[in-house]
Amino acid sequence: KQEVTQIPAALSVPEGENLVLNCSFTDSAIYNLQWFRQDPGKGLTSLLLIQSSQREQTSGRLNASLDKSSGRSTLYIAASQPGDSATYLCALRGGSQGNLIFGKGTKLSVKP
Amino acid sequence: DAGVIQSPRHEVTEMGQEVTLRCKPISGHNSLFWYRQTMMRGLELLIYFNNNVPIDDSGMPEDRFSAKMPNASFSTLKIQPSEPRDSAVYFCASSLDRGKRGYTFGSGTRLTVV
Repeated sequence: KQEVTQIPAALSVPEGENLVLNCSFTDSAIYNLQWFRQDPGKGLTSLLLIQSSQREQTSGRLNASLDKSSGRSTLYIAASQPGDSATYLCALRGGSQGNLIFGKGTKLSVKP
Repeated sequence: DAGVIQSPRHEVTEMGQEVTLRCKPISGHNSLFWYRQTMMRGLELLIYFNNNVPIDDSGMPEDRFSAKMPNASFSTLKIQPSEPRDSAVYFCASSLDRGKRGYTFGSGTRLTVV
């Protein structure tokens, strides 16, 4: 059974710092992996989608990488801002299943 | 596109009452998913449909929960009778081709059963 783990569960950094959020999974037979952002009391906003054949995706200050062989993905946020404060969720679609399996998320706080 | 639309945004009901949550997927998407989010368990899949047909309902917690997708543009999740432990945020998501191109989530329905 696929399991997705996100470490750390919470992270607090000063504004301007570069940071990395980690996601690990137990079964490398994935179809794609998606990073989401969730603000308190809100829905999920898609940030980046990486297909299994890809190594990384970039959008603005965000860069997501995927290493299937080691069962890891990272989300790199450059020059963090207070507006980046949110919970970041990693989710993956298995090779045979159509549904997303989520990690518990990392709650990020960027202090001014 | 207006995205995935869920209603109501908030629902407060008394234990034992029937609750119906609604979802309109993105036009053209052929897969629809219902998730539940709680502090303890995070996001869990309840059921998903492909081309209006239920594919996997193994996440539906009990017979009190039922979901339908009568057409490509509408789905309901019904809880009857509701219980306090059903209190959670329920999300609907849609995608093309079972998520091969990613998923789009609605804003969720926050359900409180008192």
